[in-house]
Amino acid sequence: AQSVTQLDSQVPVFEEAPVELRCNYSSSVSVYLFWYVQYPNQGLQLLLKYLSGSTLVESINGFEAEFNKSQTSFHLRKPSVHISDTAEYFCAVSDLQGAQKLVFGQGTRLTINP
Amino acid sequence: DAGVIQSPRHEVTEMGQEVTLRCKPISGHNSLFWYRQTMMRGLELLIYFNNNVPIDDSGMPEDRFSAKMPNASFSTLKIQPSEPRDSAVYFCASSLFSGGYNEQFFGPGTRLTVL
Repeated sequence: AQSVTQLDSQVPVFEEAPVELRCNYSSSVSVYLFWYVQYPNQGLQLLLKYLSGSTLVESINGFEAEFNKSQTSFHLRKPSVHISDTAEYFCAVSDLQGAQKLVFGQGTRLTINP
Repeated sequence: DAGVIQSPRHEVTEMGQEVTLRCKPISGHNSLFWYRQTMMRGLELLIYFNNNVPIDDSGMPEDRFSAKMPNASFSTLKIQPSEPRDSAVYFCASSLFSGGYNEQFFGPGTRLTVL
């Protein structure tokens, strides 16, 4: 079985500052990794995913995450955040055989201060 | 595309009452998932269907919970009888399953409060 740990429940940052949201996973088999974003009163939206190939993956709105197998991590980063990035961010994992079953972390609430 | 539709968006009920949550997946999708989100347990998968057939219900907390998918465009999650600890946000998601990874699209959720 897989598990996901998001080390920070809340991360406050100033606008235009860089941010890193940390995610570590545990699994005995190869995995797919995901970051989802949840804006207030909305459902989750896929932000980016790692399936295979390049360990650095990017989203269309400037976020990136790097798969580090040796450290079992998939941290999310953005060099300069905007007010509109205020949301809750969830890291998730699934194994290659049971790819439909997502296991989510507890979430990190990102708050952007002007 | 209207996306995944859930109803009601908010439900307040009293302990012991039956609660039915509804979901309409994205047209053409053949997989449907029910999740529950609470502060204590985070976001957890309850059950999922492929082609209207339940594949894995290991996340359903107890016999009070049941889910059905009578056709490709409709699913229900029923709690009978409801208890205060069932208070949570329930999400439905759908995907076009073709083996391997397929993106899940989430609905806006139903916020359930059991008094």
